[in-house]
Amino acid sequence: DTGVSQDPRHKITKRGQNVTFRCDPISEHNRLYWYRQTLGQGPEFLTYFQNEAQLEKSRLLSDRFSAERPKGSFSTLEIQRTEQGDSAMYLCASTLGRGYNEQFFGPGTRLTVL
Amino acid sequence: QQQVKQSPQSLIVQKGGISIINCAYENTAFDYFPWYQQFPGKGPALLIAIRPDVSEKKEGRFTISFNKSAKQFSLHIMDSQPGDSATYFCAASKTSPPEETSGSRLTFGEGTQLTVNP
Repeated sequence: DTGVSQDPRHKITKRGQNVTFRCDPISEHNRLYWYRQTLGQGPEFLTYFQNEAQLEKSRLLSDRFSAERPKGSFSTLEIQRTEQGDSAMYLCASTLGRGYNEQFFGPGTRLTVL
Repeated sequence: QQQVKQSPQSLIVQKGGISIINCAYENTAFDYFPWYQQFPGKGPALLIAIRPDVSEKKEGRFTISFNKSAKQFSLHIMDSQPGDSATYFCAASKTSPPEETSGSRLTFGEGTQLTVNP
C-alpha cells in the first residue's frame, strides 16, 4: 500500500497524559499536513511541512501541541498534558509540493481523552 | 470565520436518483475546489476537484458545477447507489506561488451526510 499511513489508529488516554502520533506520507510527497476533525465537522488545518521545515501553524495549535518532520519523511504530532477537548480524529495528508493542490489523506488517529 | 459553507447538512435520496450538495465560499483568492468522500472511521478520500477556469467537470457519475461570479460550486452524484452513502465535504484552497511559504491549506465545509436508500 503506497498511501498515507498513520499510527496508531486509535488512542485512549487519561487527561494530563502525553500522546504522540505518527504519519508516513506518500513517498515522493514533500508537503505534509496535519488536520483535526471533531465529530460532525469538517477537518481543520493545524500545521504543514515543506520537507523538514514547519512553515505554517494554525491558531488551533496551542503550546501543548508540537509537530516534527526531522528528515523530511515521516512526521510526528505530540500533544502534552492532554485535555478532554483534545478528543478528535487527527488526520495527516500529503501532496507532491508547491503548485500541487491534491491532498491525499491517511486513515487518521482517533484520540479519546478520558 | 466560516469561509466555506455547505448545504444541506443531511440528504436522503432513493437509489438511482440524483444527489446534489452545494457549497459557497467567501475568499476570492481560492483557486482549487475539491470534494472529499468520507466513510465512518476513515480518512477523507479525494473524489473530484475543479479550478475556476472551467464551469463544469465530470468524472463518471460525479460532476462539479462551478459558478465563479456567485462564488458557489456543487457536487452532483448521478444514479446514486447505496454504496455512495457517506459524508461528503467540499473544500477550497489557494495555490501558493513558489516564493511564498504559505501552503495550500484546505478549508473544509461542514459536511453533508448522504444516505441512499435501496
